[in-house]
Amino acid sequence: AQSVAQPEDQVNVAEGNPLTVKCTYSVSGNPYLFWYVQYPNRGLQFLLKYITGDNLVKGSYGFEAEFNKSQTSFHLKKPSALVSDSALYFCAVRDISSTLTFGKGTMLLVSP
Amino acid sequence: EAQVTQNPRYLITVTGKKLTVTCSQNMNHEYMSWYRQDPGLGLRQIYYSMNVEVTDKGDVPEGYKVSRKEKRNFPLILESPSPNQTSLYFCASSLSGGDRWSEQYFGPGTRLTVT
Repeated sequence: AQSVAQPEDQVNVAEGNPLTVKCTYSVSGNPYLFWYVQYPNRGLQFLLKYITGDNLVKGSYGFEAEFNKSQTSFHLKKPSALVSDSALYFCAVRDISSTLTFGKGTMLLVSP
Repeated sequence: EAQVTQNPRYLITVTGKKLTVTCSQNMNHEYMSWYRQDPGLGLRQIYYSMNVEVTDKGDVPEGYKVSRKEKRNFPLILESPSPNQTSLYFCASSLSGGDRWSEQYFGPGTRLTVT
């Protein structure tokens, strides 16, 4: 069965500093990996995805993610955090099945 | 505007009283899905539908029913709600269920409280 782990419940970073939100996964076969963001009282919004090819994926709002097959990781990154980036971030994986499995989420808090 | 809509957004009900949460998308998406979000558990899939008249169980289907009679609608039915179904529910859709790389579009959520 596929699974996703987000080891940090919360990540704190100062505005202007780089941020990393961690994600590791377990699947059978090739993974399809996604990051979603949830702002307060809103539904989830798609940020970026990895299908195949370049290990560095660029997405919305200046976010990017690095796929590492040997470490089975797909960490979300941004070079310079904004206060408006504060939100709940979910990593998700899909393999040969049609179900999308989400991690438990990581709350990102960016302080001014 | 391309969107997924859910109704109602908030619902408080009592144990055993049947309820339906509606979900509709205007993007002609084939795939639709229901999730529940609980603190510390993330999102868990309840049911999904690959296309009209095709539905399948997700990770936590007990106590829920769905139907997909038309492409745009995917209602979630709780025949006899219980307090452990108190949660935040999201409907989502994507272009194709067969394409595992299709990202999903989420509705705004329905906060359900069962007393």
